[in-house]
Amino acid sequence: AQRVTQPEKLLSVFKGAPVELKCNYSYSGSPELFWYVQYSRQRLQLLLRHISRESIKGFTADLNKGETSFHLKKPFAQEEDSAMYYCALKGGSQGNLIFGKGTKLSVKP
Amino acid sequence: AAGVIQSPRHLIKEKRETATLKCYPIPRHDTVYWYQQGPGQDPQFLISFYEKMQSDKGSIPDRFSAQQFSDYHSELNMSSLELGDSALYFCASSLSGAWDETQYFGPGTRLLVL
Repeated sequence: AQRVTQPEKLLSVFKGAPVELKCNYSYSGSPELFWYVQYSRQRLQLLLRHISRESIKGFTADLNKGETSFHLKKPFAQEEDSAMYYCALKGGSQGNLIFGKGTKLSVKP
Repeated sequence: AAGVIQSPRHLIKEKRETATLKCYPIPRHDTVYWYQQGPGQDPQFLISFYEKMQSDKGSIPDRFSAQQFSDYHSELNMSSLELGDSALYFCASSLSGAWDETQYFGPGTRLLVL
């Protein structure tokens, strides 16, 4: 079955601390994975996609097929990073996204 | 750059009423997806359209229907509304055949059923 698991509902760190949001997936085949961020009462915004291997706002994520993981990392968290973060897997016959339950990141001053 | 537009942004309905949500994709995008996000929940895929044809179906109730028009905008029609339909409804669009086919989301329509 296609599934995305984000084990942490809430992650609280202090400003300047490293942060890692965990994401594990279950998918038979070659996965396409994304991280979306949702600031308070705003739309879902694409943060990262694994195929482009980019760094956005200091965040990076590496696809580890052996561990079926796509963890999101940032070495120094900022207060403006506080938001909901969703890991998503492109599944279905026409590419609909399967989301994890989300992790709420709270960065304290 | 133009983004996905959804209307209305907020909608209040009574039980058993009907509602129509509209989605205008990014220009040139040919694929539209609808997602439902309940309070404190992750977005759940409802239905998608490619080139005006339904391409995939998720957990969409039979009371709901949707279509994509010739200008690629899409409408989600919801009938016999129930309290549990209260949620944020997102539309996303993508360009099929593009190198990444990333889905870009609209701001959502917040539906409250009383």
